[in-house]
Amino acid sequence: DQQVKQNSPSLSVQEGRISILNCDYTNSMFDYFLWYKKYPAEGPTFLISISSIKDKNEDGRFTVFLNKSAKHLSLHIVPSQPGDSAVYFCAASMNLNTNAGKSTFGDGTTLTVKP
Amino acid sequence: GAVVSQHPSRVICKSGTSVKIECRSLDFQATTMFWYRQFPKQSLMLMATSNEGSKATYEQGVEKDKFLINHASLTLSTLTVTSAHPEDSSFYICSAQDADRASNEAFFGQGTRLTVV
Repeated sequence: DQQVKQNSPSLSVQEGRISILNCDYTNSMFDYFLWYKKYPAEGPTFLISISSIKDKNEDGRFTVFLNKSAKHLSLHIVPSQPGDSAVYFCAASMNLNTNAGKSTFGDGTTLTVKP
Repeated sequence: GAVVSQHPSRVICKSGTSVKIECRSLDFQATTMFWYRQFPKQSLMLMATSNEGSKATYEQGVEKDKFLINHASLTLSTLTVTSAHPEDSSFYICSAQDADRASNEAFFGQGTRLTVV
């Protein structure tokens, strides 16, 4: 039973356009969500996060939206750049006192931004 | 940002031998580190949570005698794959949480590609 799902394994967009990556979760105990970016043969790099008390968090070109009622979050990248081409992982965690960094990951979405 | 160094980045070993992978937090203290495994085109699967000074907590289905974890200091956790077999070939990644940061953000190492022949 996969608790974090990224239903689109790949996404291709034109440079300058918006990229929207989606993520769904099933465990209502999750209250902190993160997006990671991963290049081949490297470890993931933290991109942006959002707490369940918010519905939007913005950092430069990256914005994450959270819809708690739908158990859905999305990452928007605008404008998209060729350097954004990577695998994006959605992750969810429970903000417990211990092991708060323990996250459950989705399968990832490979984003390709075409020049 | 915080840096986590994982070593080696790539290792090839013979079946039946053991391999040790190190995960170091370079500029922060990590009371908790996590070990993940990634199969091709699949997500990161949490194997175990490594707590400094105590026994690691393993996820269901992960053999603790097969994957030995030691977290002897606030900056170092090691994963030893014992008596490795070809099915253990995978990409192993560690992550560490900064004990001084009030967030769930984890910092990942660069990963170790293990190939058992």
